[in-house]
Amino acid sequence: QVQLQVSGPRLVKPSQTLSLTCTVSGDSISSSNDYWTWIRQPAGQGLEWIGRIYTSGSPDYNPSLKSRVTISVDTSKNQFSLNLSSLTAADTAVYYCAREAGDFWSGYYLDYWGQGTLVTVSS
Amino acid sequence: EIVLTQSPGTLSLSPGERATLSCRASQSVSSRYLAWYQQRPGQAPRLLLYGASSRATDIPDRFSGSGSGTDFTLTISRLEPEDFAVYYCQQYGSSPGFTFGPGTKVDIK
Repeated sequence: QVQLQVSGPRLVKPSQTLSLTCTVSGDSISSSNDYWTWIRQPAGQGLEWIGRIYTSGSPDYNPSLKSRVTISVDTSKNQFSLNLSSLTAADTAVYYCAREAGDFWSGYYLDYWGQGTLVTVSS
Repeated sequence: EIVLTQSPGTLSLSPGERATLSCRASQSVSSRYLAWYQQRPGQAPRLLLYGASSRATDIPDRFSGSGSGTDFTLTISRLEPEDFAVYYCQQYGSSPGFTFGPGTKVDIK
C-alpha cells in the first residue's frame, strides 16, 4: 500500500518561503514510472495543481505559480519537496502531495494522496 | 487552458436515490484524460474513476462514468450514507498539467 506523509510548518509569515516535504512509503520514487505532485486547496474552495516532478526529468509547474515554485526530489530519503516563495495570505491552504499514475493510453490521474497539511500565512 | 464547469453546485438527495453529476469542459477533452474524485469532509480527495469510466481500485460498482468531448457524467446508482461528499472532475492537459472543476456537493435531503 502506497502512503504519502506531508511534513512542514503550519504557520509561515508573509513574504517568507514555505518548505514542505512529502515522504513516500510503499513505493520507490527512484524506480517508479510515476510523477510526484503537489496540490493545494484553500479553505472551502476547490483544488489547484501546483506542479510535479519525475525522478529523471525536469519538474512541471502551474504557470500561475511558476515564478515562485520549486519542486525537488531526494531519492535517498524517498521524499520530494515543495518550496513556495514570496508568500501572501492568498497562499493559505491545505497542501497535499500525491502520486500521479497512468500513461498515454489509460490517462493520467492522482491515485494516492497524502493526508494534507493546513498552512496559514500570517504575521 | 481548459476550464471545467460542474453542475449542479449542490445536489440534495436521499439515501438510495440516484445521483447524476455533470462536468463540462470549455474545449474537447480526450476521455482518457478525464477523472473523478470524491472528497469527504476533512479528508484528502480519493480517486473514483479515470479514463472517464474506469473505476479505481476498491471503488464499488454503484459509481459509473460516461461521456466524451466536452460533456462527462458521474452517476451514483444508489446513494449510500458514505457517498454524501464533494465530487470533483479533473482533466489532464499540456498546460497547466491538471485542472479541476469547482466541485459538486452531494448532501442529504
